[in-house]
Amino acid sequence: QTVVTQEPSFSVSPGGTVTLTCGLSSGSVSTSYYPSWYQQTPGQPPRTLIYSTNTRSSGVPDRFSGSILGNKAALTITGAQADDECYYYCVLFMGSGIWVFGGGTKLTVL
Amino acid sequence: EVQLLESGGGLVQPGGSLRLSCAASGFTFSSYAMSWVRQAPGKGLEWVSSFSAAADGTYYADSVKGRFTISRDNSKNTLYLQMNSLRAEDTAVYYCAKVVQIRPREGFDYWGQGTLVTVSS
Repeated sequence: QTVVTQEPSFSVSPGGTVTLTCGLSSGSVSTSYYPSWYQQTPGQPPRTLIYSTNTRSSGVPDRFSGSILGNKAALTITGAQADDECYYYCVLFMGSGIWVFGGGTKLTVL
Repeated sequence: EVQLLESGGGLVQPGGSLRLSCAASGFTFSSYAMSWVRQAPGKGLEWVSSFSAAADGTYYADSVKGRFTISRDNSKNTLYLQMNSLRAEDTAVYYCAKVVQIRPREGFDYWGQGTLVTVSS
């Protein structure tokens, strides 16, 4: 069974840059997996940041960007702000209409 | 403005059934695939099911296959999830999500507020 991997936690300083990654337990992530990224604060629904690897969703500031770095999908946040502190999830399209989410990364801004 | 409003959650006993609804507005519902995603208390997101708008299929996670059925009524702009043989591990907030395109592939761009399903005796 394919597992989508994310860092369980990450820290960034205010104003700093952080790159979160999304990988596969076996194999490499490519654009063919249409990686997408979601932001979630506790008690709230997810908010879409990025879909199709690097397309920003409506209203998402350009501080958030998506890419493929090596064998993983990546979400880069520049100019980190206090309200960026929350959970980030990636999801990969596995084909045949099936998606698999990663376990999420808890980002701390301090 | 895109809006997705889930309803139908509640407390149900193990082995019971429940039907969730998602009323959509602000976009051409019939032109987009739709999905259900759930989140167990304190846990991450889990994709549950999707319905293509291209009439080429419905899709399910292995954890719900054979027990859950997704459907849509384009005349009512509504997505449904019929959940049968419910188990304690199905306890979660269930989110309705709009897919970016007509077929499930690119990801989700809009989310509802969610509806809580609790399976307990």
